[in-house]
Amino acid sequence: AQSVTQLGSHVSVSEGALVLLRCNYSSSVPPYLFWYVQYPNQGLQLLLKYTSAATLVKGINGFEAEFKKSETSFHLTKPSAHMSDAAEYFCAVSIPRGGATNKLIFGTGTLLAVQP
Amino acid sequence: EPEVTQTPSHQVTQMGQEVILRCVPISNHLYFYWYRQILGQKVEFLVSFYNNEISEKSEIFDDQFSVERPDGSNFTLKIRSTKLEDSAMYFCAARDRSYNEQFFGPGTRLTVL
Repeated sequence: AQSVTQLGSHVSVSEGALVLLRCNYSSSVPPYLFWYVQYPNQGLQLLLKYTSAATLVKGINGFEAEFKKSETSFHLTKPSAHMSDAAEYFCAVSIPRGGATNKLIFGTGTLLAVQP
Repeated sequence: EPEVTQTPSHQVTQMGQEVILRCVPISNHLYFYWYRQILGQKVEFLVSFYNNEISEKSEIFDDQFSVERPDGSNFTLKIRSTKLEDSAMYFCAARDRSYNEQFFGPGTRLTVL
């Protein structure tokens, strides 16, 4: 079975500082990996995805993530935090296969606070 | 840009009542999903739907739940007899054949009193 672990349920950074949100996955087969962002009282928006192409993936709003198979990690980074980045971030894994499911398994989320 | 829509945005119901949550996926999407998020918890998979049948369901998706796509556009989740623990945000998602991503709707907040 697949699973996702997000270390740190709350992360606080200063505006302009590096953002690092950690995600480790468990999967018996090569996975697809995703980062979603959820702003207060809103739905889930895809930030970026890894689908077995380049291991360094760039997403929206200046975020990027690197797939590291040896570490089973897919950490999310942004060089310089902005106040508008304050939100909850979810890492998710999916197993691509010929069937119709490809359900997403989510981590518990990391709430990012950005201090002025 | 086309998007997944959900109605209502907020539903309040009494325990034991039936509720139907509605989703309108993007028109060329073929695979449909329901997820839920209990307040303060992670997003959980409920069910996936393809070619007018359930392709996978989680253990949360018991006999009280059902899904259908009655008219080829709407995708609905029905809870037959709601319980207090069904209170959550319910998200619909959809994707096309290529599986680049699942597109999520804004969610329906269900409150069971």
